[in-house]
Amino acid sequence: QVQLQQSGPGLVKPSQTLSLTCAISGDSVSSNSAAWNWIRQSPSRGLEWLGRTYYRSKWYNDYAVSVKSRITINPDTSKNQFSLQLNSVTSEDTAVYYCASGRYSYESWGQGTLVTVSS
Amino acid sequence: DIQMTQSPSSLSASVGDRVTITCRATQSISTYLNWYQQKPGKAPKLLIFAASSLQSGVPSRFSGSGSGTDFTLTISSLQPEDFATYYCQQTYSSPFTFGPGTKVDIK
Repeated sequence: QVQLQQSGPGLVKPSQTLSLTCAISGDSVSSNSAAWNWIRQSPSRGLEWLGRTYYRSKWYNDYAVSVKSRITINPDTSKNQFSLQLNSVTSEDTAVYYCASGRYSYESWGQGTLVTVSS
Repeated sequence: DIQMTQSPSSLSASVGDRVTITCRATQSISTYLNWYQQKPGKAPKLLIFAASSLQSGVPSRFSGSGSGTDFTLTISSLQPEDFATYYCQQTYSSPFTFGPGTKVDIK
Protein backbone atom coordinates (compact mmCIF):
# COMPACT_ATOMS: atom_id res chain seq x y z
CA GLN A 1 0.00 0.00 0.00
CA VAL A 2 1.57 3.25 -1.15
CA GLN A 3 1.40 6.15 1.26
CA LEU A 4 2.09 9.75 0.30
CA GLN A 5 2.97 12.55 2.72
CA GLN A 6 2.91 16.12 1.49
CA SER A 7 4.90 19.03 2.88
CA GLY A 8 5.37 22.67 2.01
CA PRO A 9 4.17 26.18 2.84
CA GLY A 10 0.51 27.11 2.88
CA LEU A 11 1.06 30.76 1.99
CA VAL A 12 2.87 32.09 -1.07
CA LYS A 13 3.19 35.71 -2.19
CA PRO A 14 2.04 36.73 -5.68
CA SER A 15 4.72 36.38 -8.39
CA GLN A 16 6.73 33.98 -6.22
CA THR A 17 7.20 30.21 -6.56
CA LEU A 18 4.94 27.59 -4.99
CA SER A 19 6.97 24.55 -3.85
CA LEU A 20 5.55 21.30 -2.48
CA THR A 21 7.06 17.90 -1.81
CA CYS A 22 5.46 14.46 -1.71
CA ALA A 23 7.30 11.73 0.21
CA ILE A 24 6.61 8.16 -0.90
CA SER A 25 6.47 5.02 1.24
CA GLY A 26 5.58 1.58 -0.02
CA ASP A 27 6.96 2.08 -3.53
CA SER A 28 9.89 3.65 -5.34
CA VAL A 29 9.77 6.90 -7.25
CA SER A 30 11.94 5.09 -9.81
CA SER A 31 9.45 2.25 -10.31
CA ASN A 32 9.04 1.28 -13.96
CA SER A 33 5.30 0.83 -13.55
CA ALA A 34 4.28 3.85 -11.47
CA ALA A 35 3.57 7.49 -12.19
CA TRP A 36 3.59 10.38 -9.76
CA ASN A 37 1.04 13.13 -10.21
CA TRP A 38 0.10 16.57 -8.92
CA ILE A 39 -3.54 17.65 -8.90
CA ARG A 40 -5.19 20.75 -7.48
CA GLN A 41 -8.74 21.61 -6.49
CA SER A 42 -10.46 24.96 -6.22
CA PRO A 43 -14.12 26.04 -6.24
CA SER A 44 -13.64 27.83 -9.57
CA ARG A 45 -11.65 25.17 -11.43
CA GLY A 46 -12.71 21.92 -9.75
CA LEU A 47 -10.21 19.07 -9.84
CA GLU A 48 -7.38 19.93 -12.21
CA TRP A 49 -4.58 17.54 -13.13
CA LEU A 50 -1.33 19.52 -13.34
CA GLY A 51 1.28 17.02 -14.39
CA ARG A 52 3.29 13.92 -13.64
CA THR A 53 6.74 12.39 -13.62
CA TYR A 54 7.58 8.76 -14.29
CA TYR A 55 10.53 6.49 -15.01
CA ARG A 56 10.68 4.15 -17.98
CA SER A 57 14.42 3.54 -18.35
CA LYS A 58 14.70 7.32 -18.30
CA TRP A 59 12.68 10.11 -16.70
CA TYR A 60 9.65 11.62 -18.39
CA ASN A 61 7.43 14.55 -17.52
CA ASP A 62 3.98 15.42 -18.76
CA TYR A 63 2.31 18.75 -17.98
CA ALA A 64 -1.09 20.35 -18.45
CA VAL A 65 -1.00 23.05 -21.12
CA SER A 66 -2.66 25.50 -18.71
CA VAL A 67 0.46 25.56 -16.50
CA LYS A 68 3.15 24.21 -18.84
CA SER A 69 5.18 27.43 -18.97
CA ARG A 70 5.31 27.68 -15.16
CA ILE A 71 5.49 24.13 -13.78
CA THR A 72 8.29 21.72 -12.92
CA ILE A 73 7.82 18.28 -11.37
CA ASN A 74 11.03 16.61 -10.27
CA PRO A 75 11.81 13.22 -8.77
CA ASP A 76 14.30 12.93 -5.91
CA THR A 77 15.59 9.38 -5.88
CA SER A 78 17.84 9.92 -2.84
CA LYS A 79 14.82 10.78 -0.67
CA ASN A 80 12.19 8.73 -2.57
CA GLN A 81 9.97 11.73 -3.17
CA PHE A 82 8.86 14.10 -5.89
CA SER A 83 8.22 17.79 -5.94
CA LEU A 84 6.08 20.46 -7.54
CA GLN A 85 7.27 23.94 -8.41
CA LEU A 86 4.86 26.48 -9.86
CA ASN A 87 6.36 29.82 -10.80
CA SER A 88 4.87 33.31 -11.01
CA VAL A 89 1.80 32.47 -8.96
CA THR A 90 -1.32 34.61 -8.82
CA SER A 91 -4.50 34.42 -6.80
CA GLU A 92 -5.83 32.01 -9.48
CA ASP A 93 -3.36 29.43 -8.14
CA THR A 94 -4.97 29.41 -4.69
CA ALA A 95 -6.18 25.83 -4.24
CA VAL A 96 -5.79 22.59 -2.35
CA TYR A 97 -2.88 20.73 -3.93
CA TYR A 98 -2.69 16.92 -3.91
CA CYS A 99 -0.05 14.45 -4.93
CA ALA A 100 -1.29 11.08 -6.18
CA SER A 101 0.20 7.83 -7.42
CA GLY A 102 -0.93 5.84 -10.41
CA ARG A 103 -0.52 5.49 -14.12
CA TYR A 104 -4.10 5.12 -15.34
CA SER A 105 -5.94 5.57 -12.05
CA TYR A 106 -4.95 7.22 -8.79
CA GLU A 107 -5.01 4.67 -6.00
CA SER A 108 -3.18 6.68 -3.36
CA TRP A 109 -3.37 10.37 -2.56
CA GLY A 110 -1.55 12.73 -0.24
CA GLN A 111 -3.45 14.49 2.49
CA GLY A 112 -3.75 17.74 0.54
CA THR A 113 -2.18 21.15 1.16
CA LEU A 114 -4.19 24.35 1.04
CA VAL A 115 -1.98 26.91 -0.69
CA THR A 116 -3.13 30.51 -0.53
CA VAL A 117 -1.54 33.10 -2.79
CA SER A 118 -1.65 36.41 -0.95
CA SER A 119 0.65 39.26 0.01
CA ASP B 1 -8.38 18.61 -24.36
CA ILE B 2 -11.07 16.03 -23.61
CA GLN B 3 -13.89 17.60 -21.61
CA MET B 4 -15.89 15.57 -19.11
CA THR B 5 -19.46 16.33 -18.11
CA GLN B 6 -21.54 14.75 -15.36
CA SER B 7 -25.24 14.62 -14.68
CA PRO B 8 -26.91 15.42 -12.50
CA SER B 9 -24.75 18.01 -10.75
CA SER B 10 -26.50 17.11 -7.50
CA LEU B 11 -29.15 14.74 -6.26
CA SER B 12 -31.03 14.02 -3.08
CA ALA B 13 -31.65 10.41 -2.18
CA SER B 14 -32.63 8.23 0.74
CA VAL B 15 -30.79 5.35 2.36
CA GLY B 16 -31.53 2.22 0.35
CA ASP B 17 -32.15 4.06 -2.92
CA ARG B 18 -30.52 3.04 -6.19
CA VAL B 19 -28.47 5.93 -7.52
CA THR B 20 -27.08 6.39 -11.02
CA ILE B 21 -24.63 9.08 -12.10
CA THR B 22 -23.71 9.68 -15.72
CA CYS B 23 -20.41 10.87 -17.15
CA ARG B 24 -19.82 11.85 -20.78
CA ALA B 25 -16.60 12.55 -22.65
CA THR B 26 -16.30 14.88 -25.66
CA GLN B 27 -14.52 12.14 -27.61
CA SER B 28 -14.06 8.41 -27.31
CA ILE B 29 -11.89 7.39 -24.37
CA SER B 30 -12.36 3.62 -24.70
CA THR B 31 -12.59 2.46 -21.07
CA TYR B 32 -9.98 4.84 -19.64
CA LEU B 33 -12.48 6.14 -17.13
CA ASN B 34 -12.23 6.26 -13.33
CA TRP B 35 -14.69 7.16 -10.60
CA TYR B 36 -13.73 8.79 -7.30
CA GLN B 37 -15.63 9.60 -4.12
CA GLN B 38 -14.72 12.68 -2.11
CA LYS B 39 -15.92 13.70 1.33
CA PRO B 40 -15.44 17.22 2.73
CA GLY B 41 -11.87 17.97 3.74
CA LYS B 42 -10.56 14.67 2.35
CA ALA B 43 -8.70 13.58 -0.74
CA PRO B 44 -10.65 11.78 -3.46
CA LYS B 45 -10.86 8.01 -3.10
CA LEU B 46 -10.70 5.67 -6.08
CA LEU B 47 -13.86 3.55 -6.44
CA ILE B 48 -13.86 2.25 -10.01
CA PHE B 49 -11.04 2.09 -12.56
CA ALA B 50 -11.07 1.14 -16.24
CA ALA B 51 -14.79 1.97 -16.37
CA SER B 52 -16.00 -1.15 -14.58
CA SER B 53 -13.29 -2.60 -12.31
CA LEU B 54 -13.96 -2.31 -8.59
CA GLN B 55 -11.00 -1.02 -6.59
CA SER B 56 -9.89 -3.34 -3.81
CA GLY B 57 -11.77 -2.71 -0.58
CA VAL B 58 -14.65 -0.84 -2.20
CA PRO B 59 -18.11 -2.27 -1.41
CA SER B 60 -19.79 -4.25 -4.16
CA ARG B 61 -22.83 -1.93 -4.14
CA PHE B 62 -20.69 0.34 -6.34
CA SER B 63 -20.49 -0.57 -10.00
CA GLY B 64 -19.46 1.13 -13.22
CA SER B 65 -20.25 0.59 -16.86
CA GLY B 66 -19.76 2.13 -20.27
CA SER B 67 -17.20 2.63 -22.99
CA GLY B 68 -16.46 5.17 -25.68
CA THR B 69 -18.08 8.41 -24.55
CA ASP B 70 -20.84 7.40 -22.11
CA PHE B 71 -20.36 5.97 -18.64
CA THR B 72 -22.38 5.36 -15.51
CA LEU B 73 -21.67 4.87 -11.84
CA THR B 74 -24.37 3.00 -9.93
CA ILE B 75 -24.82 2.63 -6.21
CA SER B 76 -27.26 -0.23 -5.80
CA SER B 77 -28.42 0.57 -2.27
CA LEU B 78 -27.29 3.91 -0.88
CA GLN B 79 -25.74 3.76 2.59
CA PRO B 80 -25.24 6.65 5.06
CA GLU B 81 -21.49 6.70 4.38
CA ASP B 82 -22.09 7.17 0.63
CA PHE B 83 -23.25 10.76 0.94
CA ALA B 84 -20.39 12.54 -0.81
CA THR B 85 -19.35 14.07 -4.12
CA TYR B 86 -18.48 11.76 -7.02
CA TYR B 87 -16.09 12.59 -9.86
CA CYS B 88 -15.24 10.85 -13.10
CA GLN B 89 -11.80 11.18 -14.71
CA GLN B 90 -10.44 10.20 -18.10
CA THR B 91 -6.89 8.90 -18.43
CA TYR B 92 -7.04 8.26 -22.17
CA SER B 93 -5.02 11.32 -23.12
CA SER B 94 -3.18 14.12 -21.37
CA PRO B 95 -4.33 16.34 -19.73
CA PHE B 96 -6.19 13.80 -17.61
CA THR B 97 -9.38 15.72 -16.99
CA PHE B 98 -12.00 15.32 -14.29
CA GLY B 99 -15.71 15.89 -14.44
CA PRO B 100 -17.28 18.71 -12.40
CA GLY B 101 -18.70 16.33 -9.81
CA THR B 102 -22.07 15.07 -8.61
CA LYS B 103 -23.02 15.81 -5.03
CA VAL B 104 -25.18 13.16 -3.38
CA ASP B 105 -26.98 14.36 -0.28
CA ILE B 106 -29.69 13.16 2.03
CA LYS B 107 -33.32 13.61 1.03
